[in-house]
Amino acid sequence: DTGVSQDPRHKITKRGQNVTFRCDPISEHNRLYWYRQTLGQGPEFLTYFQNEAQLEKSRLLSDRFSAERPKGSFSTLEIQRTEQGDSAMYLCASSLGSSGTEAFFGQGTRLTVV
Amino acid sequence: QQQVKQSPQSLIVQKGGISIINCAYENTAFDYFPWYQQFPGKGPALLIAIRPDVSEKKEGRFTISFNKSAKQFSLHIMDSQPGDSATYFCAAFATGNQFYFGTGTSLTVIP
Repeated sequence: DTGVSQDPRHKITKRGQNVTFRCDPISEHNRLYWYRQTLGQGPEFLTYFQNEAQLEKSRLLSDRFSAERPKGSFSTLEIQRTEQGDSAMYLCASSLGSSGTEAFFGQGTRLTVV
Repeated sequence: QQQVKQSPQSLIVQKGGISIINCAYENTAFDYFPWYQQFPGKGPALLIAIRPDVSEKKEGRFTISFNKSAKQFSLHIMDSQPGDSATYFCAAFATGNQFYFGTGTSLTVIP
């Protein structure tokens, strides 16, 4: 499968715990996005990378969120001290080039904070 | 502030009918407009996309109509099928920036 891969698919965690999600983009895609989606809403931008550089981070994003993309390949999104409001689907997408066209999404990681 | 406004929120269409979903934007820097289809529990899948230098793009039963002066674009699904039942999102993108998504349209195609 050469699509965008996300792991895990589902994560249940207790409030206050830290969680980390992984995204493997399509090979050779140099742009990688993280989005969050809650039920009945469209994807909400979190951050994006051009190769290993994090170029933009949503102003709505709490300092508890951090993302990395070492070596410009896979990316991780960490949420520290999770809160119930963090419960959502976390989506990763990748595209080729800075024009960002044809962005392909992974299946997402469903986070439930209890 | 919602960068892309999408309507209707939900849509019910008879099998064989035409489904129409509309989106509007304000930022004239947007230069790429994709539509995504999403099934429950799945990630959004790229369906069709258009750039503002053309007024229409057709791929199979799916057509995007684009009105640059009105800053509006729409998705038409011809001969709608029950398998088309899903949530559809329009999006807008400016080069070097991020994708902005609409709030989604839940489409139900009745057999």
